[in-house]
Amino acid sequence: GAVVSQHPSRVICKSGTSVKIECRSLDFQATTMFWYRQFPKKSLMLMATSNEGSKATYEQGVEKDKFLINHASLTLSTLTVTSAHPEDSSFYICSAINGGSSYNEQFFGPGTRLTVL
Amino acid sequence: GQNIDQPTEMTATEGAIVQINCTYQTSGFNGLFWYQQHAGEAPTFLSYNVLDGLEEKGRFSSFLSRSKGYSYLLLKELQMKDSASYLCWAVDSNYQLIWGAGTKLIIKP
Repeated sequence: GAVVSQHPSRVICKSGTSVKIECRSLDFQATTMFWYRQFPKKSLMLMATSNEGSKATYEQGVEKDKFLINHASLTLSTLTVTSAHPEDSSFYICSAINGGSSYNEQFFGPGTRLTVL
Repeated sequence: GQNIDQPTEMTATEGAIVQINCTYQTSGFNGLFWYQQHAGEAPTFLSYNVLDGLEEKGRFSSFLSRSKGYSYLLLKELQMKDSASYLCWAVDSNYQLIWGAGTKLIIKP
């Protein structure tokens, strides 16, 4: 089946630094990628929708200047958490839609655990 | 409104079979996921259903009935390592994830 990878799987950084998370579709072209954030004991919240070659669409309440999303190719989207603070600590999970699928099937990455000290 | 219901906790015996049910109400439907999550770890993909019917993958099977807004995850030959939370997520027409609080499955020897 289709595989989506994320890198890194875990990252620890100091407050004020920026962290980049990569999301790759390994064996299909992802026309659309999504970035989600999971809070402890809470649901995954959609942060933004990313379409290749265009600006990401951010959900209400998500700071686009803080969470920079770049969907540079049909297999790669990146999320950069700028000037990270402890409250940004969370699981960040991406997903990708297989453009060749009839059902807009969505494949999730394994997640990136971000810890901001 | 949109919501998902699944049992909070279930207990089963090693080697047995357990079925975890999930009912959902969403605005539009783009599939339903089952994920397994051990404490402190990211969720691990188990299954994705977008069409009605049963999909079997080894010891795990997932069933979907769109007309009933119902899915279940069936785990066979339970092992101690299957003790985890099982998350049911539905995807609505806007790709928002509607999820339940998860079912904590406890496996006893």
